[in-house]
Amino acid sequence: RKEVEQDPGPFNVPEGATVAFNCTYSNSASQSFFWYRQDCRKEPKLLMSVYSSGNEDGRFTAQLNRASQYISLLIRDSKLSDSATYLCVVNMAINSGNTPLVFGKGTRLSVIA
Amino acid sequence: NAGVTQTPKFQVLKTGQSMTLQCAQDMNHEYMSWYRQDPGMGLRLIHYSVGAGITDQGEVPNGYNVSRSTTEDFPLRLLSAAPSQTSVYFCASSFRTSGSAYEQYFGPGTRLTVT
Repeated sequence: RKEVEQDPGPFNVPEGATVAFNCTYSNSASQSFFWYRQDCRKEPKLLMSVYSSGNEDGRFTAQLNRASQYISLLIRDSKLSDSATYLCVVNMAINSGNTPLVFGKGTRLSVIA
Repeated sequence: NAGVTQTPKFQVLKTGQSMTLQCAQDMNHEYMSWYRQDPGMGLRLIHYSVGAGITDQGEVPNGYNVSRSTTEDFPLRLLSAAPSQTSVYFCASSFRTSGSAYEQYFGPGTRLTVT
């Protein structure tokens, strides 16, 4: 099983739609979880961290399910500007922040007018 | 702050040539890393460093060398370029924390083609 797995998509949704992405990770000892966004031919940028209790930032909601080892990202009221690739990222460290992050291959989202 | 800068933005090499990709950050981050991104493969870690004088291998280190003589700079050296090294290379940096979440800041990338 790969360390971090994502559905590659593409997800093609109309403006205003709600879309959800899931990501599974293999290491049950993983401590930190993130969603990054990458626009075409640009560098990845942090979208949001994912906390155990779940967290929301405007139209974006991230959730963590440790028992099933997956994290999710929900985007409500999709905008054209949300079109990008969304990367699921996991820190496999147990007690140290020094262990590198592991990136999923990304899920591509296209929001259509 | 300029953040993370990378040079060059684009490079074409012939097989067997060597070159150095430059990366610098002005945020006083201890942790720096190099990734390559290929279609369908996602970001793969090449080398990383947790501080000046300390480097370690990532998932795909073969054919690359790194050094970290200062906190600010983390150059990536291609020893003898091969077509398989055609890729987009990203440098990233972050604060070093203990067991908690931290954000990685990425440079704009270097697009390398090896012919």
